[in-house]
Formats: sequence, C-alpha cells, structure tokens
Amino acid sequence: KAGVTQTPRYLIKTRGQQVTLSCSPISGHRSVSWYQQTPGQGLQFLFEYFSETQRNKGNFPGRFSGRQFSNSRSEMNVSTLELGDSALYLCASSPGQVNNEQFFGPGTRLTVL
Amino acid sequence: GEDVEQSLFLSVREGDSSVINCTYTDSSSTYLYWYKQEPGAGLQLLTYIFSNMDMKQDQRLTVLLNKKDKHLSLRIADTQTGDSAIYFCAERSSGYSTLTFGKGTMLLVSP
Repeated sequence: KAGVTQTPRYLIKTRGQQVTLSCSPISGHRSVSWYQQTPGQGLQFLFEYFSETQRNKGNFPGRFSGRQFSNSRSEMNVSTLELGDSALYLCASSPGQVNNEQFFGPGTRLTVL
Repeated sequence: GEDVEQSLFLSVREGDSSVINCTYTDSSSTYLYWYKQEPGAGLQLLTYIFSNMDMKQDQRLTVLLNKKDKHLSLRIADTQTGDSAIYFCAERSSGYSTLTFGKGTMLLVSP
C-alpha cells in the first residue's frame, strides 16, 4: 500500500499571500489530521477530518482552514500568510473512527518571506 | 491542559542501549505513542501502548509505562547509527483522535 502523500513538498510564499496544501491518505483510510511543526512550538494539532466532516480543531486562527473530499483526500488553506506560518505541515492518516494508529506523510515545508 | 515532557538530547555509543523518557499529565490518556523523525522526513510510527498495559516489546524496542507516575520510556537495544533521529512521545485521550506531542528527544549514536 502506498503511504500518505503530501503535495507540494516545498513551498515559498510572501506575506499576505494564501496557500493550499494537499494530502492523500493511505487507501481505505477515512480520517485525516493536520499538524504544524515549528522549532519553537513543536508539533501542534490543527484539525481532523473524518468522512468529509471536521471532527476536531486545534487552537489556530481562522486563517487556517481545511476540508476533506469524498475520496478522503484533504486540503488545508492558510490565508493572509504571516512570517510565523513558516513551518513543516504534516498530514496524518488513520483508518476510521477509532484511530489507534496515525501514519504521517513526509510533510510540506512552507517558507513565508 | 495536557502536557508531554521529554529530555531534549541523548548521546550513546553504537551497540549500547538507549533509554528515552517521557512524562505526561493527562490522566485520561488512553494510548501513548513513540514516533521517530529523521532529518527532512515526516514522523514514523514506531510503537504504541494502551494505558492498561505496563510493557510492550517489539524486536529491539521496549516500551515501559508507569501509569501511576505518568511516565513512559522507550528502550532501544543494540542501538545503531541508523537510529540517530528525533524521537517524539505522544499521548491520545479517550474519545479523541488528537495527538499531543512532546518536544522530541534528539538521539545521537556515535560509532
């Protein structure tokens, strides 16, 4: 089985722009979670989607949003980018409602200039 | 809120055992995880333990859980240079899928 894929792997944007990141979960997995990783704050939970519904949301401003499609693929969007949004954005895939195991993709490295 | 603490750095020699420690505060934690992150890569799930267990062994990895003290450890036997990476401890509370991570322990294995 293919693992979790994330595109693009690297992205450079400037302040004020917006960005969309994509995640394709492992085939058959219905839950997708997003995390932000920075040197200062470590790994922080952004949101989780299951069957196209947002099931849980972390403590991030409304500039961060996401969605999940019927094929379980997910996108996250960040509007009005700030320098502090520079981070590695990781997507995790889980089989279903009881997510004992979460499998992570390689991440998208976003740099905001 | 929940908090997960880890020591930041561990250095060992090849062939020795490594022990990485973690403490957590959330008494409702149901699952505790260890992930490995190599440079430029995502997180690799190494192993996890359910909160009603006190030990789990998987090849060179041994996880010990002291639920009373909220202390988790990961022992890597016969540590190899390829084990050099950052190791993250994470906990998941009952009813939620969200993982709360520690800041990670950098393991450096020297020949």
